Amino acid sequence: RKEVEQDPGPFNVPEGATVAFNCTYSNSASQSFFWYRQDCRKEPKLLMSVYSSGNEDGRFTAQLNRASQYISLLIRDSKLSDSATYLCVVGYGGSQGNLIFGKGTKLSVKP
Amino acid sequence: GAVVSQHPSRVICKSGTSVKIECRSLDFQATTMFWYRQFPKQSLMLMATSNEGSKATYEQGVEKDKFLINHASLTLSTLTVTSAHPEDSSFYICSVAYTEAFFGQGTRLTVV
Repeated sequence: RKEVEQDPGPFNVPEGATVAFNCTYSNSASQSFFWYRQDCRKEPKLLMSVYSSGNEDGRFTAQLNRASQYISLLIRDSKLSDSATYLCVVGYGGSQGNLIFGKGTKLSVKP
Repeated sequence: GAVVSQHPSRVICKSGTSVKIECRSLDFQATTMFWYRQFPKQSLMLMATSNEGSKATYEQGVEKDKFLINHASLTLSTLTVTSAHPEDSSFYICSVAYTEAFFGQGTRLTVV
């Protein structure tokens, strides 16, 4: 059974804090990994792809551990605008559309 | 990146009526589009894969006679919810696969 599991949160953090989200996936055949951001009542938008070597984009760092089937997202120096739901997403097959979504982790950054 | 336009963004309909949702790929010819559904506090769930010029592929548990998909051109896929019931109330969203998945703005359907 294909599953992507995340802690739903909410994570309530002050501005400037560092926060980490974790995600596990059950199917070892997964081929692609992403973090998407979804604001309330809006469509998901790609935050970053996740690679085995780890990747960083400004304040955001993503890590993938294929052996443990584990994905993480680290946000440094949190901003108010980071408040959203973060979706862990796993892709199967060659198509970028065949995606399995986690339920998301809600982040709320407070002043 | 690909721009995907979905219409309408919100619709309220009476139980028993049908609702059509359009998904347009504005700058990319999409042979394949994807339709998802999201219930409150739940994850996005793939409903079906829309294939241009052929039948859609439905995920297990999704009724193909209830959720009619038409992908008549490389830029347009439609999802029709037939004989809608209150339990069909949800957030429906389409996507196009390009270098990444690009999503339409979503349609919030409320069946009363």
